[in-house]
Amino acid sequence: GQQVMQIPQYQHVQEGEDFTTYCNSSTTLSNIQWYKQRPGGHPVFLIQLVKSGEVKKQKRLTFQFGEAKKNSSLHITATQTTDVGTYFCAAPLHQTGANNLFFGTGTRLTVIP
Amino acid sequence: EADIYQTPRYLVIGTGKKITLECSQTMGHDKMYWYQQDPGMELHLIHYSYGVNSTEKGDLSSESTVSRIRTEHFPLTLESARPSHTSQYLCASSDSGTGEWGDSYNEQFFGPGTRLTVL
Repeated sequence: GQQVMQIPQYQHVQEGEDFTTYCNSSTTLSNIQWYKQRPGGHPVFLIQLVKSGEVKKQKRLTFQFGEAKKNSSLHITATQTTDVGTYFCAAPLHQTGANNLFFGTGTRLTVIP
Repeated sequence: EADIYQTPRYLVIGTGKKITLECSQTMGHDKMYWYQQDPGMELHLIHYSYGVNSTEKGDLSSESTVSRIRTEHFPLTLESARPSHTSQYLCASSDSGTGEWGDSYNEQFFGPGTRLTVL
């Protein structure tokens, strides 16, 4: 079935270093979303990518959707301690409803001051 | 800020008890979801609803049940709690909008979650 794999599972960086997490799917995705979950918190929507090759930026965050719409990445430039949390990608899981999302395994980011 | 609420936030109960986790949203969203998430792990969809009187099971088998009698309310019930049910339960909702590219725009808004511990 359709799955979205996410790597790495964990990432420790020094404050000021860059960080990237990747999502890969074996099937073409109609769109992909990214969420951030702070420790002890709940997932919060960051962005949705729809078009092939799309690139969107939010301040220090850059989101990309691959040309084949099978992979996506989130890049954070010059990490800060406020970036700590787990970043999830999510894509529609059509097997159980076109509007349902399948969440990746997440990348837990730790930023060392 | 999303208007979706969950109660209780924390619950510790004994094995065999019946419990209901409450979820309410004031955004008028048609679609609502329940996820189960163990600490530091991914979210697993256990139930969803596309509208009143519509409920379906998700991709993770669960012994819980749900109901959707009102648009804003989507409670989850465990008839007989067991230690294996210990987890965090997250409720979410989404609209039925269409994005600028004609694609289904299904951003989900999450509640704060209920941390359940069954002894």
